[in-house]
Amino acid sequence: GAVVSQHPSWVICKSGTSVKIECRSLDFQATTMFWYRQFPKQSLMLMATSNEGSKATYEQGVEKDKFLINHASLTLSTLTVTSAHPEDSSFYICSARGLAGGPVDNEQFFGPGTRLTVL
Amino acid sequence: EDKVVQSPLSLVVHEGDTVTLNCSYEVTNFRSLLWYKQEKKAPTFLFMLTSSGIEKKSGRLSSILDKKELFSILNITATQTGDSAIYLCAGRIRNEKLTFGTGTRLTIIP
Repeated sequence: GAVVSQHPSWVICKSGTSVKIECRSLDFQATTMFWYRQFPKQSLMLMATSNEGSKATYEQGVEKDKFLINHASLTLSTLTVTSAHPEDSSFYICSARGLAGGPVDNEQFFGPGTRLTVL
Repeated sequence: EDKVVQSPLSLVVHEGDTVTLNCSYEVTNFRSLLWYKQEKKAPTFLFMLTSSGIEKKSGRLSSILDKKELFSILNITATQTGDSAIYLCAGRIRNEKLTFGTGTRLTIIP
C-alpha cells in the first residue's frame, strides 16, 4: 500500500510551452501533497504545499503564477509549469500525506518523480 | 530560516567497511528527523526519529537522534555495493513540511 504515482515520468518540451505533471495517491487519500524540485547534484527543495480544495502555499522564491498547482481531489494534485524555459529543467517530485487517523496516518510517501527537460 | 546540513558531502569506501553519515539541523517547531535513500529516482524512506537517544535499526542500518545537540547519525555496517546512493536527511515540522539536507553521496567500491 501507500503508492504515489507521477505522470509523465519524463517530458521534453520546447521553450515557451506549458507542461502539466500529475501526482496521484493510488491506494490512500491525501489531504496534503507537497511538490519538490531537485536540480542535478542538489537536494530536494520544497516548492509548495498543496491542500485539497484550497490554494497552495508556495515557498519563498517560487513564482505561483509560473508553477500552477491544483489539488482538486483527495487523490490528485497537478503542477503546471507555464511558459517553461530551459532553467526550469529539473526533476520534480511530489509527496502525499495520508489522512490523520487513516491507514497511512500522517506519513508522507514520495512519487517516482518527473524529469522535465526544456529545450 | 530552517536549515539541515549533512556531512560529508561525499564518501567513498570499500565494500565491508562501516560508514557514519552526519546530519545537523536547525528547524523551528521540530517534530522529527527522517532519513531517506535516493538512488535514481525519488527518495525511499529509511527511518523516522522523534525521540532522543533511541536507536532505530533495520538490518545493517541504524540511526539515532540527539535533540539536545540537534544532530543525527546514520550508520551502515558491512557495506555492500547496493548501498551506493545519496542519503538524505530531512527535518519535519508540525505542519508536516520537510526541509532536506544537501545529502551525502556514498560510493561503495567492490
